[in-house]
Amino acid sequence: KQEVTQIPAALSVPEGENLVLNCSFTDSAIYNLQWFRQDPGKGLTSLLLIQSSQREQTSGRLNASLDKSSGRSTLYIAASQPGDSATYLCAVQILRNFNKFYFGSGTKLNVKP
Amino acid sequence: DTEVTQTPKHLVMGMTNKKSLKCEQHMGHRAMYWYKQKAKKPPELMFVYSYEKLSINESVPSRFSPECPNSSLLNLHLHALQPEDSALYLCASSLSGGAADTQYFGPGTRLTVL
Repeated sequence: KQEVTQIPAALSVPEGENLVLNCSFTDSAIYNLQWFRQDPGKGLTSLLLIQSSQREQTSGRLNASLDKSSGRSTLYIAASQPGDSATYLCAVQILRNFNKFYFGSGTKLNVKP
Repeated sequence: DTEVTQTPKHLVMGMTNKKSLKCEQHMGHRAMYWYKQKAKKPPELMFVYSYEKLSINESVPSRFSPECPNSSLLNLHLHALQPEDSALYLCASSLSGGAADTQYFGPGTRLTVL
């Protein structure tokens, strides 16, 4: 069974810092990996989707990388801002059932002004 | 319009009540999903509808009954729930349910079962 782990569970940084969130998964037979953002009590917003054939995706200050062979992904946030404070979830879709996301437990990020 | 709407935002119900959650999207998406999320936990998939047909039921108890009346609308009918069913219920949609499709999530319904 696919298991997704995110480290750290929580992170507090001062504004302006660059930071890295980590995601690891046990089964490398994935179709893609997606990073989401969730604000408290709200739904999920898709940030970046990396297909298994890709190594990275970039959107603005966000860069996500994927190393399928080692079962790892990182989300890099440059020049963090207080508005980035949220919980960040990674999720993988597996080849044999791509309708299902396997989510990590998330990293709760707090960016202090 | 890239919005998925859910109503109500909050719902409090007793264990003997019958209620329904509603989800709507007008993006022309043909796949719709129900997730359950407990506090400080990731979302858990409950049901997937593809082209208005139930394609996945993740062994959800029968007290939860999904319905997809048309391609834009998804309901979740609730009956005889337990307090442990209290959670945030999220709806999502995607273009066709394909692996490369991004899922768009609604804001959720916060359900409390007394």
